[in-house]
Amino acid sequence: DQQVKQNSPSLSVQEGRISILNCDYTNSMFDYFLWYKKYPAEGPTFLISISSIKDKNEDGRFTVFLNKSAKHLSLHIVPSQPGDSAVYFCAAREDDKIIFGKGTRLHILP
Amino acid sequence: DVKVTQSSRYLVKRTGEKVFLECVQDMDHENMFWYRQDPGLGLRLIYFSYDVKMKEKGDIPEGYSVSREKKERFSLILESASTNQTSMYLCASSFGRGPYEQYFGPGTRLTVT
Repeated sequence: DQQVKQNSPSLSVQEGRISILNCDYTNSMFDYFLWYKKYPAEGPTFLISISSIKDKNEDGRFTVFLNKSAKHLSLHIVPSQPGDSAVYFCAAREDDKIIFGKGTRLHILP
Repeated sequence: DVKVTQSSRYLVKRTGEKVFLECVQDMDHENMFWYRQDPGLGLRLIYFSYDVKMKEKGDIPEGYSVSREKKERFSLILESASTNQTSMYLCASSFGRGPYEQYFGPGTRLTVT
């Protein structure tokens, strides 16, 4: 059973607008959440993270929101740029393991 | 900058062959991980290690083994390659036992024929 779910396989957003990527989880023992970005033929690169004791973390154009009661987190990218086109993975940590979602492919349209 | 390197970008092997995938990191990280990435399945953890000579099974360890003789090097071994092990293999490393982010290598695309 998937513990980290990214229900949208893909998302298209106009350049300059806001991109919102969503992630749901089932395990209330997760204490840390991370977002990674992956280009084709490259390994994932870390983007931003949030502790379970916080509800928001911001880094430049990237903001992650955590709603613990809903077991939901989202990544906001504002404004979206062409270089943001990639696959985004949501990940969650429990003890010594990090569990990844299946990813969402973001297309930024000109 | 952290650098994680993997021995090959592309590899083609025959069914039944023993396959070694090597990973080296240069930042003195304690933790190292092996994942495979398949379309529609995301990243799945095969094995990880928190110290030299230590290893822990991930979610899909069957058909794989690992070796960590030196802190900077973590090897993934396919004892007898099968076609269902055709995949993208990603190595990662991270610092300490806390929730530190992982740094990934570029990946090895393995095809088993």
